[in-house]
Amino acid sequence: SQQGEEDPQALSIQEGENATMNCSYKTSINNLQWYRQNSGRGLVHLILIRSNEREKHSGRLRVTLDTSKKSSSLLITASRAADTASYFCATALRGDYKLSFGAGTTVTVRA
Amino acid sequence: DVKVTQSSRYLVKRTGEKVFLECVQDMDHENMFWYRQDPGLGLRLIYFSYDVKMKEKGDIPEGYSVSREKKERFSLILESASTNQTSMYLCASPRTGGFNQPQHFGDGTRLSIL
Repeated sequence: SQQGEEDPQALSIQEGENATMNCSYKTSINNLQWYRQNSGRGLVHLILIRSNEREKHSGRLRVTLDTSKKSSSLLITASRAADTASYFCATALRGDYKLSFGAGTTVTVRA
Repeated sequence: DVKVTQSSRYLVKRTGEKVFLECVQDMDHENMFWYRQDPGLGLRLIYFSYDVKMKEKGDIPEGYSVSREKKERFSLILESASTNQTSMYLCASPRTGGFNQPQHFGDGTRLSIL
């Protein structure tokens, strides 16, 4: 099964509202990454948080990491229609060459 | 800016055909990856390559092979296509040399096997 699993599977919000999605994982990580995928396109990297970090910001994005609970959250503030996409977390394990992706959260922002 | 280019956005092939999916990156990076993406399953790693002519199996290599003759090009080959290989295929390469680094993705190839 996937190392990272997102929750919820789908989210529908009004423009201007905040969107929060969570990622849980099973084993110790080197870092955790969040990606966005617009419909029919490839993934775009959003933010990386290392295992020794607790919070990172990038524009309207805020990512937290709780290694004791093996979980991360992505918050998108003041959402816009352009934020409509699927969001994936990916975990990087120490000594491993690959990223393990979750199944994603589909976010729909209604105008 | 960095670019990963996949040769086809959409492809329709028949069962039993040999199918080639091509990926080119302009970053002069050693590492390249092939994933397939299916609803509810996220991205699953098929193969990756860490240098010319070097490859490693990922989580689901069965029914696939790869070729890396030049650093910038990584090809995924479906030896004898089957309907259960209908999927979205994504090529990626990390931004910098390390494996754990953020990856640049191509736009994907949506492959249908009839």
